[in-house]
Amino acid sequence: SYVLTQPPSVSVAPGQTARITCGGNNLGSKSVHWYQQKPGQGPVLVVYDDRDRPSGIPERLSGSKSGNTATLTISRVEAGDEADYYCQVWDSSSDHYVFGIGTKVTVL
Amino acid sequence: QVQLVQSGAEVKKPGASVKVSCRASGYTFTDYYVHWVRQAPGQGLEWMGWINPQTGVTKYAEKFQGTVTVTRDTSISTAYMELRSDDTVVYYCMRGSPVVPPYYYYMDVWGKGTTVTVSS
Repeated sequence: SYVLTQPPSVSVAPGQTARITCGGNNLGSKSVHWYQQKPGQGPVLVVYDDRDRPSGIPERLSGSKSGNTATLTISRVEAGDEADYYCQVWDSSSDHYVFGIGTKVTVL
Repeated sequence: QVQLVQSGAEVKKPGASVKVSCRASGYTFTDYYVHWVRQAPGQGLEWMGWINPQTGVTKYAEKFQGTVTVTRDTSISTAYMELRSDDTVVYYCMRGSPVVPPYYYYMDVWGKGTTVTVSS
């Protein structure tokens, strides 16, 4: 089955930039989506199709992809950005949806 | 306002089944796939399957084949997930792609989750 690899945790000081990576085999040919889950809440879509943002998501959150690695970048990090972030793709070979293990972002 | 409203928390005994509901509002229920995802305490998100509300066709992750059944009642814009599991987890329903092209492969609207606690 298809596997997405994320770092378990990322720590960042307020005002700095956090980068969360997501890797997978042949990821360059797939669309990558990102979800934010704050403590005690359900997930929220923050980036879709590698780099597009739903309405209401601040520009400080941005997505990119290079080769087999996708990156969610959070600029000018705020305390409210502390959350778990999950990447997700659709694996066409199995017609299954796959999530990464999630990355916990801690604001120092 | 587009939203998915899930049924309340459940407590079930080991070996018993539970049925979780997910009512859609603010959009045409039969126009979009509905997905189910589960999350164990302190763990990540795990995709379970989807239903096409227009046709009733379902797709399940291999891990959940035989233990999960997803159905829908279009008259009340509600999807259901019935399962036999002895895990205490939170189940989320989400809106996925339109059922007709152009398709997309992310979930843009999420319910607030239903906690199912297993206790004897």
